[in-house]
Amino acid sequence: AQSVTQPDIHITVSEGASLELRCNYSYGATPYLFWYVQSPGQGLQLLLKYFSGDTLVQGIKGFEAEFKRSQSSFNLRKPSVHWSDAAEYFCAVGASNTGNQFYFGTGTSLTVIP
Amino acid sequence: ETGVTQSPTHLIKTRGQQVTLRCSSQSGHNTVSWYQQALGQGPQFIFQYYREEENGRGNFPPRFSGLQFPNYSSELNVNALELDDSALYLCASSSRAGGSYNEQFFGPGTRLTVL
Repeated sequence: AQSVTQPDIHITVSEGASLELRCNYSYGATPYLFWYVQSPGQGLQLLLKYFSGDTLVQGIKGFEAEFKRSQSSFNLRKPSVHWSDAAEYFCAVGASNTGNQFYFGTGTSLTVIP
Repeated sequence: ETGVTQSPTHLIKTRGQQVTLRCSSQSGHNTVSWYQQALGQGPQFIFQYYREEENGRGNFPPRFSGLQFPNYSSELNVNALELDDSALYLCASSSRAGGSYNEQFFGPGTRLTVL
């Protein structure tokens, strides 16, 4: 069965520091992978996606993620965090054998300190 | 281009009641998915509608039902509400053509509170 694990429930970083949010997935075929961000009380905004091709993908707001098939991972990175990046981050895998059904991780809450 | 919209924004119901949530998909999108997001959790897939038919369902009981209309808007109906149904309900639209898959665009959600 498909599943997504985000090992870090909560992360705190200083403004200007680098960030890496971890995501591991379980899926038998080539997955469609996504990172979404959610601000309090809001819906989900797509940061970036991986369907195929180059394993390093660039997204909005300076985020990037790298697909590593051997590690079943799709970690999100940002070289320099801004205070406005404080939010909840969700990794999701799309299962091609069930249409566009997404499986989400439990999320990582990011706090940015001055 | 209009994004995904949902109504109402907030809703308070009591146990045993029924509720209908509405979603208008993004222009050009023919697929709508519904998710339940409990407090502190990731979204859980309820079901998906494609061309007015259910096209996949998560682990939710039959009292969760839905509809998709010819204009691709959608409704989520929940009967016999339980306290655990309190959550943010998210609608997502996407475009599915020729077997290809695209990202889902999410609406702002409807916050349902069951008392």
